[in-house]
Amino acid sequence: AQKITQTQPGMFVQEKEAVTLDCTYDTSDQSYGLFWYKQPSSGEMIFLIYQGSYDEQNATEGRYSLNFQKARKSANLVISASQLGDSAMYFCAVWPLGSARQLTFGSGTQLTVLP
Amino acid sequence: AAGVIQSPRHLIKEKRETATLKCYPIPRHDTVYWYQQGPGQDPQFLISFYEKMQSDKGSIPDRFSAQQFSDYHSELNMSSLELGDSALYFCASSPTAGGPKETQYFGPGTRLLVL
Repeated sequence: AQKITQTQPGMFVQEKEAVTLDCTYDTSDQSYGLFWYKQPSSGEMIFLIYQGSYDEQNATEGRYSLNFQKARKSANLVISASQLGDSAMYFCAVWPLGSARQLTFGSGTQLTVLP
Repeated sequence: AAGVIQSPRHLIKEKRETATLKCYPIPRHDTVYWYQQGPGQDPQFLISFYEKMQSDKGSIPDRFSAQQFSDYHSELNMSSLELGDSALYFCASSPTAGGPKETQYFGPGTRLLVL
């Protein structure tokens, strides 16, 4: 079984500053993928970034980067230059290879960007 | 780019009624997933299909059934609805049943309210 822990129920950040959202995971699978999704108040689930467990480099997608520390089983999302539109719920999820083909989500972090 | 389409977007039903949710995956995506997200909760995996066959099953109640059709669209059938079934139902699709690099892209969700 997989488990994702997001210890920050809510976070505040000033516009244009960077923010780190924490995510730790627990899986017995050797190969897996880690994902971050954004869910605005409108409800849709938007894919942000992916990190493979065997990827040596941290993933980056525009203003999003993933600080992947495999030994610590952490996959923190870094958002640079925060914008008001970044205010949303952010979910970390794990998808193990060779196991049930399903995403296991954390409880989410509600990010609020302040003007 | 084409996205996952879900219909209807909103649905109101009464207890003990039935509901059918539809999902049209991104073109050339052969795997479909269904998730249920209760109020204030993270999405929970229900069921998935690959090439029209059920591939994995999560916490889907026996009152629910689903299938994937020859054109790869999927339908989630929900019978004997209960108040606790009120939730946001997501469909996601991915391009192959291979390893974790195939990202799951989510549809906008169907918001079901059971009265």
